[in-house]
Amino acid sequence: EAGVAQSPRYKIIEKRQSVAFWCNPISGHATLYWYQQILGQGPKLLIQFQNNGVVDDSQLPKDRFSAERLKGVDSTLKIQPAKLEDSAVYLCASSLADRVETQYFGPGTRLLVL
Amino acid sequence: GENVEQHPSTLSVQEGDSAVIKCTYSDSASNYFPWYKQELGKRPQLIIDIRSNVGEKKDQRIAVTLNKTAKHFSLHITETQPEDSAVYFCAASMYGGSQGNLIFGKGTKLSVKP
Repeated sequence: EAGVAQSPRYKIIEKRQSVAFWCNPISGHATLYWYQQILGQGPKLLIQFQNNGVVDDSQLPKDRFSAERLKGVDSTLKIQPAKLEDSAVYLCASSLADRVETQYFGPGTRLLVL
Repeated sequence: GENVEQHPSTLSVQEGDSAVIKCTYSDSASNYFPWYKQELGKRPQLIIDIRSNVGEKKDQRIAVTLNKTAKHFSLHITETQPEDSAVYFCAASMYGGSQGNLIFGKGTKLSVKP
């Protein structure tokens, strides 16, 4: 089966610019996650969707980060305006609705903010 | 909230030797403990997991043990090979609910020398 797809793979922007990342989960996976992985650390959950609804966004910096999954399949994560400390890999993951603990990750988008 | 500590941060072994990575968790409600392998520039891949109703699980050369009383779990890799070189992350979560927040450790960089 096809895995989680993400694009772009790399992005370089200047601080205060905006950026958007796209994710397509594994077919049939109702649950989708966005994680932030800072260099040398483990991934940290930003937001979890179940279909097109938000389950958990408690760690999403809502003043600059937003995410949507309008049709319950693909998702977009946006940062506006970006800060230097947003430099990280943004990982998308998906899971079955009744197996939320078993998550499959995409290749990630590596963001560098200058 | 849950906190996961992982040790060591780096581990170097000779090919054929065993490697052990240890993690501790703080929330006794956590009942699912996956291990992910992440090669440089690639996605985290689930390699083995264990639920709290089991004390040990094996899959070929890898095994995971869990001590619920002490709140720690370990990854054991036997007969290490150069292709085992990667960063390994432990995580803690809860299965059976709707929230799939995986709390990750900071990772262990394993180097297997031929």
